[in-house]
Amino acid sequence: QLQLQESGSGLVKPSQTLSLTCAVSGASISNGGYSWSWIRQPPGKGLEWIGYIYHSGSTYYNPSLKSRVTISVDRSKNQFSLKLSSVTAADTAVYYCARERAGLDPWGQGTLVTVSS
Amino acid sequence: DIQMTQFPSSLSASVGDRVTITCRASQSINRNLIWYQQKPGKAPERLIYTASSLQSGVSSRFSGSGSGTDFTLTISSLQPEDFATYYCQQSYTTPFTFGGGTKVQIK
Repeated sequence: QLQLQESGSGLVKPSQTLSLTCAVSGASISNGGYSWSWIRQPPGKGLEWIGYIYHSGSTYYNPSLKSRVTISVDRSKNQFSLKLSSVTAADTAVYYCARERAGLDPWGQGTLVTVSS
Repeated sequence: DIQMTQFPSSLSASVGDRVTITCRASQSINRNLIWYQQKPGKAPERLIYTASSLQSGVSSRFSGSGSGTDFTLTISSLQPEDFATYYCQQSYTTPFTFGGGTKVQIK
């Protein structure tokens, strides 16, 4: 059964870089046909898609965040990562990872990242 | 970006009611529309993909329809476990975008 699990720092200072990892179990991230996404949800608000990486390593980022986002993959560890630079309080959110093809499924449980000094 | 508009933003219903949620895209997305259910403190779960295909393991009381710009999610007979927030999402083109959500509450 495919499972995804986010991990990383839960508290980041303003202007610093948020770093999260999504560990994938139950399937190889290198298998074709899927992309691997990051999504976020500010407390009490809706969902925002951040970007994805294909098994090939090619990436696509939401233009609203593109200048600050990097998504990478570590095939040896079967995981992919998110870095978001120059964070502000507006980046406080639950961050989710998910597999994508005809929608996002499954999702990780999510991890809350708070931006605060 | 394609804008996804959901309505209503919230509704109150009773167990056994038939519930319909609408999602409208700002341009045609063919049938590239997904519905999710999210319960408090949990990640969203896919219910419907390609507008009308039921996710494996999801109750058949959920159904989706539509194409182009207008889509609906219907719950044929609302059950206690269905009280949640529902989101639509287009996967027609990047950036993928979500509707604002519909919160289904107990009447």
